[in-house]
Amino acid sequence: QSALTQPASVSGSPGQSITISCTGTSSDFGGYNYVSWYQQHPGKAPKLMIYDVSNRPSGVSIRFSGSKSGNTASLTISGLQAEDEADYYCISYASTWGVFGTGTKVTVL
Amino acid sequence: QVQLQESGPGLVKPSGTLSLTCAVSGGSISSSYWWSWVRQPPGKGLEWIGEISHSGSTNYNPSLKSRVTISVDKSKNHFSLRLTPVTAADTAVYYCARGQLRDLDYWGQGTLVTVSS
Repeated sequence: QSALTQPASVSGSPGQSITISCTGTSSDFGGYNYVSWYQQHPGKAPKLMIYDVSNRPSGVSIRFSGSKSGNTASLTISGLQAEDEADYYCISYASTWGVFGTGTKVTVL
Repeated sequence: QVQLQESGPGLVKPSGTLSLTCAVSGGSISSSYWWSWVRQPPGKGLEWIGEISHSGSTNYNPSLKSRVTISVDKSKNHFSLRLTPVTAADTAVYYCARGQLRDLDYWGQGTLVTVSS
């Protein structure tokens, strides 16, 4: 399986909203495939931000939301804050295999 | 609070075997969770390695499947990763985590393994 495709970088000013896309094939996002999003700050372990397309784990800000349409998943960060500056990775998981996206560096201007 | 801690050699010779252990504290590895390994080459993105269930069922990244073994030791409350033979391309920070790739909720801090002679 090839990595899912994400933009290398996305930037926005504090308070703005940004959207990160994650594009795959029908085999990546069809059927019973799960889509999740992880945030990773430099030198730190990743953190689960969204699972099963649009669900937020306990403790994750409501500013983070996820969606999926066809072969593209999206992560939207509303009310961008300085602490949101990090790398973000989407994943597709289908019970017996999984693949990460290429990763997107979010910069808060 | 569940905590995970990776341990193992930080340097492995090419064609050798990479062996890492993930110690689980604050919870039982026999509980109904899966346990996973993820790696990240320096300056690059994340790569899923594989996972193991509490009962020992495993799933592996197809690109690594021929070289990877993940196992569980319930008596020691830890799970392990074995990768052989290794090349320089296997140099990475290796993370262990609780769950399957869709919902990895607790992670270790990561350990850097360098493959070099």
